[in-house]
Amino acid sequence: QSALTQPASVSGSPGQSITISCTGTSTDFAGYYFVSWYQQHPGKAPKLIIYKVSNRPSGVSDRFSGSKSGDTASLTISGLQAEDEADYYCSSYARRITLDVVFGGGTKLTVL
Amino acid sequence: EVQLVESGGGLVQPGGSLRVSCAASGFTFSSYWMSWVRQTPGKRLEWVANIKQDGSDKNYVDSVKGRFTISRDNTKNSLFLQMNSLRAEDTAVYYCARRFCGGGTCYPNDFDFWGQGALVTVSS
Repeated sequence: QSALTQPASVSGSPGQSITISCTGTSTDFAGYYFVSWYQQHPGKAPKLIIYKVSNRPSGVSDRFSGSKSGDTASLTISGLQAEDEADYYCSSYARRITLDVVFGGGTKLTVL
Repeated sequence: EVQLVESGGGLVQPGGSLRVSCAASGFTFSSYWMSWVRQTPGKRLEWVANIKQDGSDKNYVDSVKGRFTISRDNTKNSLFLQMNSLRAEDTAVYYCARRFCGGGTCYPNDFDFWGQGALVTVSS
């Protein structure tokens, strides 16, 4: 069972926007900025697309944006494209007995 | 070009041992925290361990403490994961990953480069 809860699947049509949520508890986010998002295409390694809640690494499309409110982080993809179809994972730094990196269970995005 | 290439995966019996390696190139390996992250057959991602630049600080997820050991050889730009007392639930693709530093800060859950993964199967 993953520490962070994500919907198993979301879908949208080309050009639309979708949002993926990532919900935890107060201990799942050791600090406000400890939220990142990864995109993973089949047979490939995960790719960092959002770090520190809402920042994009160089080369990542500005169609990807992130936010956080309370114990829920969100990833929004605007102007959906076929190539966005992938699995998406959120990640945080959680306060357990020790501090651990944790991931969400992943969300499969289908572009209709 | 940054590259991380894992090797050493394979089939091992429960209770057995295996060492996976990660060869790094294209960046100053000794300047980065490194991690192992695994992905189960059900596609769940799980952080396994990380290690500081000079190897002086190591951290593990509870489920592998006492069984797995992370290490590095900065002279050979290599990262290792020694896995002992393996269990069926350790079956996964094991990725090595570099900690990302963005905007002057480096957070433990940010990984900007990943290897292609090494499959470890624990089964009799």
